Amino acid sequence: GEDVEQSLFLSVREGDSSVINCTYTDSSSTYLYWYKQEPGAGLQLLTYIFSNMDMKQDQRLTVLLNKKDKHLSLRIADTQTGDSAIYFCAESRRTGRRALTFGSGTRLQVQP
Amino acid sequence: DVKVTQSSRYLVKRTGEKVFLECVQDMDHENMFWYRQDPGLGLRLIYFSYDVKMKEKGDIPEGYSVSREKKERFSLILESASTNQTSMYLCASSLDRLPYEQYFGPGTRLTVT
Repeated sequence: GEDVEQSLFLSVREGDSSVINCTYTDSSSTYLYWYKQEPGAGLQLLTYIFSNMDMKQDQRLTVLLNKKDKHLSLRIADTQTGDSAIYFCAESRRTGRRALTFGSGTRLQVQP
Repeated sequence: DVKVTQSSRYLVKRTGEKVFLECVQDMDHENMFWYRQDPGLGLRLIYFSYDVKMKEKGDIPEGYSVSREKKERFSLILESASTNQTSMYLCASSLDRLPYEQYFGPGTRLTVT
């Protein structure tokens, strides 16, 4: 199957760390992605990780990949109100179609 | 910067009308995609195209068709709009190689009454 699952909502206080989780079922996934969608806008690619890596860091963002459990997480350090958005996890497959499979999105609310 | 533009941000149409949604990208990407986004369902792929005049069905193609006559332009057509097609429609494009990073347009919110 190609299901990608995320929790729907996360609320954190400004300055705290946020951790958004995602599970996927397709073991042939090659890349896994995190996208951000601000209100009224399209999706913006934040970062991606190749399936043979287990961690990637980019400024305040840390992506962790546990291939055994098919679990992906996005950690945002020092979360700011501008980080309030919907975050989508997505995967691409090693073979087959070029389209990505997206999760349902996690709405992150940052409280001042 | 990669730019993907969509012809309308908001559109209101009546049941039974034929609706055209246009998408243009300026980065010479081979692949183009149409998704619809509904609350709690995430993005669902309607159709995609990997070359001019080539198309493949996605997960929910029923009630939709597409056209790609030029590399930079990908159109989504609702042959006879219905109220259950009220949704946000997102267009994206990507190069035809891994990691298949997709770049999205701002979306068109379509309401069918």
